[in-house]
Amino acid sequence: AQSVAQPEDQVNVAEGNPLTVKCTYSVSGNPYLFWYVQYPNRGLQFLLKYITGDNLVKGSYGFEAEFNKSQTSFHLKKPSALVSDSALYFCAGTTDSWGKLQFGAGTQVVVTP
Amino acid sequence: DVKVTQSSRYLVKRTGEKVFLECVQDMDHENMFWYRQDPGLGLRLIYFSYDVKMKEKGDIPEGYSVSREKKERFSLILESASTNQTSMYLCASSPPRTPAYEQYFGPGTRLTVT
Repeated sequence: AQSVAQPEDQVNVAEGNPLTVKCTYSVSGNPYLFWYVQYPNRGLQFLLKYITGDNLVKGSYGFEAEFNKSQTSFHLKKPSALVSDSALYFCAGTTDSWGKLQFGAGTQVVVTP
Repeated sequence: DVKVTQSSRYLVKRTGEKVFLECVQDMDHENMFWYRQDPGLGLRLIYFSYDVKMKEKGDIPEGYSVSREKKERFSLILESASTNQTSMYLCASSPPRTPAYEQYFGPGTRLTVT
């Protein structure tokens, strides 16, 4: 069975410090991996995706993620967090040809001034 | 910009009522999805449609049905609402048969069943 795991319910970081949100996956075949962000009372917004090729993927709002096949991980990173980055972050993955996604449980990021 | 709209942001219904949640997308996407979002569980796929009048069950279809009569519109139906269907419901769309494209999400409908 395919699954995506986000081991941390919440990540707390001070503004200006590096931010990392962890994601591991368990899928057969070559995975397509995504990060989405959800601000309060809003739908999900796409941040970035890994399809193939370069393991370091750059996305919106200064975020990047590194695909690590040996560790089956796809951690989201930002060098310097902003208070406005406080939100709920979801990792998702698929090998399904229709693109049906398996989502992680979500990680709440809290950035304090 | 892709726009996915959902008919209601907040909805309160009584147990046993028939509930319709509507979703419309304006990018001519073939694929449309309904998810429910619950704390600690992430998003779980209820139903998926890859074309007009076509549908597939997702991971948690029990108690739900869907309708897709037009390409741009995908409706989720709760035949007889129950309190355990209180949740946030999210609709999404994406281009046709490929896993490489991201999904575009609507703002969500927060449904409370009393």
